[in-house]
Amino acid sequence: GAVVSQHPSRVICKSGTSVKIECRSLDFQATTMFWYRQFPKQSLMLMATSNEGSKATYEQGVEKDKFLINHASLTLSTLTVTSAHPEDSSFYICSGKRDRISTDTQYFGPGTRLTVL
Amino acid sequence: AQKVTQAQTEISVVEKEDVTLDCVYETRDTTYYLFWYKQPPSGELVFLIRRNSFDEQNEISGRYSWNFQKSTSSFNFTITASQVVDSAVYFCALSEGINAGNNRKLIWGLGTSLAVNP
Repeated sequence: GAVVSQHPSRVICKSGTSVKIECRSLDFQATTMFWYRQFPKQSLMLMATSNEGSKATYEQGVEKDKFLINHASLTLSTLTVTSAHPEDSSFYICSGKRDRISTDTQYFGPGTRLTVL
Repeated sequence: AQKVTQAQTEISVVEKEDVTLDCVYETRDTTYYLFWYKQPPSGELVFLIRRNSFDEQNEISGRYSWNFQKSTSSFNFTITASQVVDSAVYFCALSEGINAGNNRKLIWGLGTSLAVNP
């Protein structure tokens, strides 16, 4: 299989605090990981693409200083929402892809529901 | 520009009915992949199928079947004898072409919410 875990599954924080979300590929090495956010009843919105050992590539309109992504190993990527505000409340989902070169299937984590009070 | 259209926003059926979810895509690439994912109420996206643009054979997996037609740029998904557990949002996605480089992204449709009622 291709299993991706995310932690935490839910987090509630106060406005102004930072939240870190972990994404792990459990049974494969993810050369590329993607971070998405999803608002209720909407499609997935890609935030950034990260390759192990290099800086993430952010989509237009996504603040890289607010959404810090680290992909330090082939099995772990983290997304840190810095100085979170209520408008950052959303469902954040990561996915991992095995092969950097070919278009391989993305395998998704279970998501993290962030609520900023 | 690439685009995926899932014209059906919501579908409601009664258990045991067959249901087809439509997906129409636009791309200028000759090599691409098409995907279907299922997102149940729990939120986790479940991979269902990947289809290479050069492989137009239809595929059947249990109660699920997919009809890929390049002539109409469609990749429709049919659930036969639907069950309550099939209730979910289903997303169709298209990969960027090889010219997009190594970090090719998926272009997502807006999803079709399927409700299967007992």
